[in-house]
Amino acid sequence: EIVMTQSPATLSVSPGERATLSCRASQSVSSNLAWYQQKPGQAPRLLIYGASTRATGIPARFSGSGSGTEFTLTISSLQSEDFAVYYCQQYNNWPAGTFGQGTKLEIK
Amino acid sequence: QVQLVESGGGVVQPGRSLRLSCAASGFSFSSFAMHWVRQAPGKGLEWVAVTSFDGSNKYFADSVKDRFTISRDNSKNTLYLQMNSLRTEDTAVYYCARVGVGAIEPYYFDYWGQGTLVTVSS
Repeated sequence: EIVMTQSPATLSVSPGERATLSCRASQSVSSNLAWYQQKPGQAPRLLIYGASTRATGIPARFSGSGSGTEFTLTISSLQSEDFAVYYCQQYNNWPAGTFGQGTKLEIK
Repeated sequence: QVQLVESGGGVVQPGRSLRLSCAASGFSFSSFAMHWVRQAPGKGLEWVAVTSFDGSNKYFADSVKDRFTISRDNSKNTLYLQMNSLRTEDTAVYYCARVGVGAIEPYYFDYWGQGTLVTVSS
């Protein structure tokens, strides 16, 4: 099983600043990597798929990069609504892929 | 618009059974594979089960294999999760989620329901 490791576990950033979240795979997943945002009491929401393609309706301040085993989600200028938990998911291995443990993005 | 609405959660004793439902609307339900993903309180996301677009293929996480069954009724646009021999560690919010393909293959989840809470406790 491919293990996804996200870092840091918690990230404290001020509104308006840039946030960089990392996700590492235990073996190559090519570009089969998605990012999700989850706010308290809500379902996860798809942000990024294919490592770098924004999902429908996702603001341009969200960007994804990487391939193979190292991936990054960058939020260029944090808005108040961006403080949430973020999960990466690899979908390279059958049947459904695996999730990282999450990064909590909190207000500094 | 795509909507997924889960129901059927509640409090159940260990060893008992429960059936969850997920009513789909706003898309051609019979064309897409569907998944169940769960989240224990304060924890991360765990994939549980998948069924292909026509229900002919199904797969389960090792943690629920031989206890849970996934099924679908395409005439009713509804996905089900039958959970038997429930354990305390099955306590979680259960989400149904769609992927953008019909067959069972690794893919990202593009739509999620709001979830239904299952609590297994004596």
